[in-house]
Amino acid sequence: EPEVTQTPSHQVTQMGQEVILRCVPISNHLYFYWYRQILGQKVEFLVSFYNNEISEKSEIFDDQFSVERPDGSNFTLKIRSTKLEDSAMYFCASSSAGVRADTQYFGPGTRLTVL
Amino acid sequence: TQLLEQSPQFLSIQEGENLTVYCNSSSVFSSLQWYRQEPGEGPVLLVTVVTGGEVKKLKRLTFQFGDARKDSSLHITAAQPGDTGLYLCAGARGSQGNLIFGKGTKLSVKP
Repeated sequence: EPEVTQTPSHQVTQMGQEVILRCVPISNHLYFYWYRQILGQKVEFLVSFYNNEISEKSEIFDDQFSVERPDGSNFTLKIRSTKLEDSAMYFCASSSAGVRADTQYFGPGTRLTVL
Repeated sequence: TQLLEQSPQFLSIQEGENLTVYCNSSSVFSSLQWYRQEPGEGPVLLVTVVTGGEVKKLKRLTFQFGDARKDSSLHITAAQPGDTGLYLCAGARGSQGNLIFGKGTKLSVKP
């Protein structure tokens, strides 16, 4: 069964450093998402991406964040200058149908630890 | 701000008992998805409900979407220890269906 994959599974970085989190969505999906989950809190939407551009973003997704689909398979989230409060699990998700949400399938997550 | 309230937050029951988890909002969603999440892992989809009043069954799990598409419930019949986990509801909103998640219900089923 097709699945969303994410690398790395765990990333440790120093405050102020740049990190890139990588995702390979399900191959025939068109809509891509990033969410995050701070330890003990609920999953929060960051950004959605369709047709090679951002379609929606939350207040969390400030200028420190960017997303890219550099080729036909990868979808990346970059945090330019990490802060302590960026420590969280970051989940990538994809779906084939957007709003009538055919369903979003989530990857296993990247645990980001900012020291 | 759209919010999804899940209740109860914690539930501890004996094997064989029935239970219901609720997901409520004052907002209308285009669809609602139920996930199960294990510690340190990503949410795993259980079901998507789209039509108001819709009922879907997945073995011993029954999911219902409210008529007004503002609330949903998950009912588990004859719970098993393998049902132990965190159950999340998430409503789809926005032009691209980004999900609003509830805080989850942590279920523990004791043998």
